[in-house]
Amino acid sequence: QVQLLQSGSEVKKPGSSLKVSCKASGGTFTSYTFTWVRQAPGHGLQWMGRIIPILNITNYAQNFQGRITIIADKSTATIYMELSSLRSEDTAVYYCARVRDGAGYVLDYWGQGALVTVSS
Amino acid sequence: DIQMTQSPSTLSASVGDRVTITCRASQSFTNWVAWYQQKPGKAPNLLIYKASTLESGVPSRFSGSGSGTEFTLTISSLQPDDFATYFCQHYDSVSPTWTFGQGTKVEVK
Repeated sequence: QVQLLQSGSEVKKPGSSLKVSCKASGGTFTSYTFTWVRQAPGHGLQWMGRIIPILNITNYAQNFQGRITIIADKSTATIYMELSSLRSEDTAVYYCARVRDGAGYVLDYWGQGALVTVSS
Repeated sequence: DIQMTQSPSTLSASVGDRVTITCRASQSFTNWVAWYQQKPGKAPNLLIYKASTLESGVPSRFSGSGSGTEFTLTISSLQPDDFATYFCQHYDSVSPTWTFGQGTKVEVK
């Protein structure tokens, strides 16, 4: 049974940084690509970036270039997403998701989400 | 970047209704379109991939169709568990990027 277990909710100050973790289990970690998607309250889904752990390749959405870093720890099958220079508009639920390459690169398993509130 | 315009944004329906949601792309591309269902406070759940392939375990009342720039999700007979928000998603292998539609909330009429 594939599971993606994310770290918990956080409250952050504007200008600070965020680091969310996502531990994968139930599958072969290095066989997959992982992505981060966020959802602001009452809004839709916004793709942030992806990582291919076996190659250590990352790609980021243009909106987050320069502020986001995604890393993978193969020893613990954990993905991390760091977002810096936080502002109130970054208040959102942050999801990690696994990519199924053979199915049109869909997101077939998702973490439970981590609510991040940016407030002074 | 390819934009996905989803309509309607809200849909009021009754149990047993046939429901259709549409996503239009700003340009033609492969059929790498997926559909997800999301309930309040939960992560999205994959329903359809490659435009028309039903994900394992998803009820057969859900179906997807389309190609080019127009893609459709149909629920043949709406059930109480189907009141939720639905998103389309496209993958661009050139960028690579994942783009989502704005979502359609299916609510009780």
